[in-house]
This record gives sequence, structure tokens and C-alpha cells, in this order.
Amino acid sequence: TQLLEQSPQFLSIQEGENLTVYCNSSSVFSSLQWYRQEPGEGPVLLVTVVTGGEVKKLKRLTFQFGDARKDSSLHITAAQPGDTGLYLCAGASGTASKLTFGTGTRLQVTL
Amino acid sequence: NAGVTQTPKFQVLKTGQSMTLQCAQDMNHEYMSWYRQDPGMGLRLIHYSVGAGITDQGEVPNGYNVSRSTTEDFPLRLLSAAPSQTSVYFCASRDISGSDTQYFGPGTRLTVL
Repeated sequence: TQLLEQSPQFLSIQEGENLTVYCNSSSVFSSLQWYRQEPGEGPVLLVTVVTGGEVKKLKRLTFQFGDARKDSSLHITAAQPGDTGLYLCAGASGTASKLTFGTGTRLQVTL
Repeated sequence: NAGVTQTPKFQVLKTGQSMTLQCAQDMNHEYMSWYRQDPGMGLRLIHYSVGAGITDQGEVPNGYNVSRSTTEDFPLRLLSAAPSQTSVYFCASRDISGSDTQYFGPGTRLTVL
């Protein structure tokens, strides 16, 4: 069974601070996705990274895929209250591109 | 487009009861899947389907059945509910040959007493 461990599990910061969330595995994935989930809703895809070492930016969010395609990070610059939510990484593998989800990082950004 | 819809939103069952969680999508996606979400464990894949008439097991299939008679619908059946099946259930779909974006429904919160 492939496992994806995320750290930290919980993060409470003030508006304007920077933060990094990590997603680690001992398995190699063909691609890795990051989702954000708000209470009472399903996860929403933020980004997909495919190539080892790839870096993608989405406004204040920077995503990186590890060179060996086993790990990834999400960095948020100048966090805002609207960034509050549960962040999930998910690795894709197999012919049907089944996703294995990480354990999640719950972020709270306060004023 | 309504996207992915799930019913019911909430459900309370007694141990041993059966029920079906409904999932429908109107995007003509071939790939559909069911996940359960438990605190501290992320989302775990229960069953998935790559097209009508084709289903396969995911990581935690025991206690659940699925069928895929149409492209649009992918119901999840609990044959004899157990307290361990208390969870939030999400249905998702994606275009298997195109974009990698997976669309999730709003979830069904199930409590088994």
C-alpha cells in the first residue's frame, strides 16, 4: 500500500506569514496533485505536477515535485484568511491513474 | 452543468441496515470513483470504474458494492452497515483521456449507530 505522509498536520498562522506544507512518500508517483477542501465540500484541484523537479506557481502558492517524484511541497507566501482550509496531496499511479491521498494539513489563517 | 451530485447529504443508519449512496455526473466522464474520508487518514479509495459495466476495487472495498450501468451514475451500496463505516463519502469523476482534473461531489455524511 502506498502511503503519503503530510506535515504538519495542523498549522495556525497569522495573515501575512509564509508557510510550507510537505508531502512525503517512499513510493514513486507518475504525477502528484494538490487539493484544497473547505468544510462541507469536496476537494478542489489546485495543481498537478508531473516532472521530477517541476515547480509550478499559482499566484501566492508555489508547488514543487521532488526530483525522484516521491515527495512534494506547497509554499504559501503572505497567507490570507481565504487560504484557510484542508490541503491534500494525492499521488497518481497505475494505468487507471488511481489516486492515493495524503493525510492532509489543516491550515487556519487568522487576521 | 451540475457537475457531480450526491444524495443524500446526511444519513443515520442502525447497525445492519442497508442503503445506497447515489452519485451522478453530467460531464460524460468515463472514470468515477468513491472515497471515504476519516479524520487523520485523508481520502481512501473504495471502488472505481473506468466506464459503464466496468468496476474494480480500491484500497478499502470490504462492506461496499458498486455497479456502473450507465456513464452518468455510480451508486455505492452498503449491504449491512457497521459503526466502522461511519465516515464522509465522496464521489468523484474525471475524463480518463483528457484533463487530469478530478471533480468531487459535495459528500455524504454517514453515521452508523
